[in-house]
Amino acid sequence: EAQVTQNPRYLITVTGKKLTVTCSQNMNHEYMSWYRQDPGLGLRQIYYSMNVEVTDKGDVPEGYKVSRKEKRNFPLILESPSPNQTSLYFCASSLSPGDGPEAFFGQGTRLTVV
Amino acid sequence: QQPVQSPQAVILREGEDAVINCSSSKALYSVHWYRQKHGEAPVFLMILLKGGEQKGHEKISASFNEKKQQSSLYLTASQLSYSGTYFCGTVGYGNKLVFGAGTILRVKS
Repeated sequence: EAQVTQNPRYLITVTGKKLTVTCSQNMNHEYMSWYRQDPGLGLRQIYYSMNVEVTDKGDVPEGYKVSRKEKRNFPLILESPSPNQTSLYFCASSLSPGDGPEAFFGQGTRLTVV
Repeated sequence: QQPVQSPQAVILREGEDAVINCSSSKALYSVHWYRQKHGEAPVFLMILLKGGEQKGHEKISASFNEKKQQSSLYLTASQLSYSGTYFCGTVGYGNKLVFGAGTILRVKS
């Protein structure tokens, strides 16, 4: 089954404690990206990757890091989380966003930073 | 960077029609439409490539005006199952998929 898997689904952490949210896809997609969703602001892109070892900043990259060492994995790293990073996070993958077809989303990670 | 969606929210009765608009300040290569149910991941509805095409999906269709950098999603004879948040996603020539703030659609019986 084609899918994007994110872990964990829920996470409560304390300010400053480094954390990683994993994302893995089984569709051999080249394009992967991370979004955060906040009420009234929609899905804002944090980072994206066109292929292995190729990553670039989205619209809200501050406080986040990513890596793309393998095609299937695209982890999101928060080196020193702060309360303003409390949000719902989605990972997505697709063959090519311009031509389609669709982007597949993971089930989301709800992060709370206290 | 984000495309602008309108309206922000709309409430319909079953059987009524709705239009959701999406506009961008940048030249677009394609427009995606997704629907998200509460607490779930966004689900793909359709993609429109430049060329001004119109596509359909059951009673949901969309158009893309490349010159105006605008797209519209048309929901005809709405059903309760259409309730959710609709997002347009735009792809410009940097090949990056960027989403709007969403339109909350609620269909009442």
